Amino acid sequence: DQQVKQNSPSLSVQEGRISILNCDYTNSMFDYFLWYKKYPAEGPTFLISISSIKDKNEDGRFTVFLNKSAKHLSLHIVPSQPGDSAVYFCAASGLGGNEKLTFGTGTRLTIIP
Amino acid sequence: EPEVTQTPSHQVTQMGQEVILRCVPISNHLYFYWYRQILGQKVEFLVSFYNNEISEKSEIFDDQFSVERPDGSNFTLKIRSTKLEDSAMYFCASSAEDGRREKLFFGSGTQLSVL
Repeated sequence: DQQVKQNSPSLSVQEGRISILNCDYTNSMFDYFLWYKKYPAEGPTFLISISSIKDKNEDGRFTVFLNKSAKHLSLHIVPSQPGDSAVYFCAASGLGGNEKLTFGTGTRLTIIP
Repeated sequence: EPEVTQTPSHQVTQMGQEVILRCVPISNHLYFYWYRQILGQKVEFLVSFYNNEISEKSEIFDDQFSVERPDGSNFTLKIRSTKLEDSAMYFCASSAEDGRREKLFFGSGTQLSVL
């Protein structure tokens, strides 16, 4: 039951270029979306979020875009830095006010110096 | 910066044994969670806890699992009789510092290996 999908298991990007990570969801009840970053041997770290009433949220080098009609969101990182190399998880919540997060399977981002 | 602390970082146990995973959530948070990640798979919700009771649990969280907040700071996950398939990284999380309950702060995890 993959309600949140990240179809690219890995992505390599040159340092300084833009990284675009994609996420699709199937459940129209989701109303809040988050991106988490995870380094090996550490827990997921909150990166950025977006409510379903918005279509864009920006925080420094990170921007999340939400296309509700397509049930798609993306995370843009620009410019990409070596420290951005990590696994990125898309997560969603809502389902009638429930705070439980449903995670995608993650995308491993590698920034090439 | 406040953080969620989990102990131990690694736990090895024999099948059928009981294990207790411990967590100290961020002190002013009100909602507490356990998630797990089996190697190579996605992070999965196990249980949420608020006001000293379970607010939601997944189908994974069967009668072998229990949670407790024995004092004002600790939050524990007990697996009564471990199975091989319980081997996973278990993450504790807490939230509601700013009222947004979905913004979870995770600990570094406990790697549980059941032999």
